[in-house]
Amino acid sequence: EIVMTQSPATLSVSPGERATLSCRASQSVSSNLAWYQQKPGQAPRLLMYRASTRATGIPARFSGSGSGTEFTLTISGLQSEDFAVYFCQQYNNWPPYTFGQGTKLEIK
Amino acid sequence: QVQLVESGGGVVQPGRSLRLSCAASGFTFSNSAMHWVRQAPGKGLEWVAVLWFDGSNEYYADSVKGRFTISRDNSKNTLSLQMNSLRAEDTAVYYCARDLAAAGIGDFWGQGTLVTVSS
Repeated sequence: EIVMTQSPATLSVSPGERATLSCRASQSVSSNLAWYQQKPGQAPRLLMYRASTRATGIPARFSGSGSGTEFTLTISGLQSEDFAVYFCQQYNNWPPYTFGQGTKLEIK
Repeated sequence: QVQLVESGGGVVQPGRSLRLSCAASGFTFSNSAMHWVRQAPGKGLEWVAVLWFDGSNEYYADSVKGRFTISRDNSKNTLSLQMNSLRAEDTAVYYCARDLAAAGIGDFWGQGTLVTVSS
């Protein structure tokens, strides 16, 4: 099973600034990596897949990069609605599909 | 618009069974693989099971294999999860999710249904 590790667990950033979230895989997942956003009491929402492809309707301030074992989600010009928990997920080696433990992005 | 509505959650005693349903609309259900993913209170996401668009293949997490069964009725646009021999550690919000291009990516999720296993 591939273990996904996200860092940091909590990230405090001011509105308007840039946030950088990291995700590491225990072995290569190629570019088969997705990012999700989850707000309290809501279902996860797909942000990014194939490491760097934005899902439908996702604003351009969200960008993803990486391949192999190291991945980054960058959110530029943070807006109030961006403060949430973010999960990465690999879909290269399955079953099981595996998620990171999440990074909580909070307002500084 | 795409809609996934889960139902069937509730409080159940350890060792008992429960059946969850997910009603799909707004897309061609019979063309999409579907997943169940769960989230224990205050915890992260755990993939549970996936079923191919035509029901031909199904896969499970080790934690539920042999106890849970995923199924679908494409004539009724419904996905189900039969959960037997429930344990306290199965307590979670259960989400159904549509798969994007059979790739293992959940591109649309329902709002979830809470299952609490407790005596």
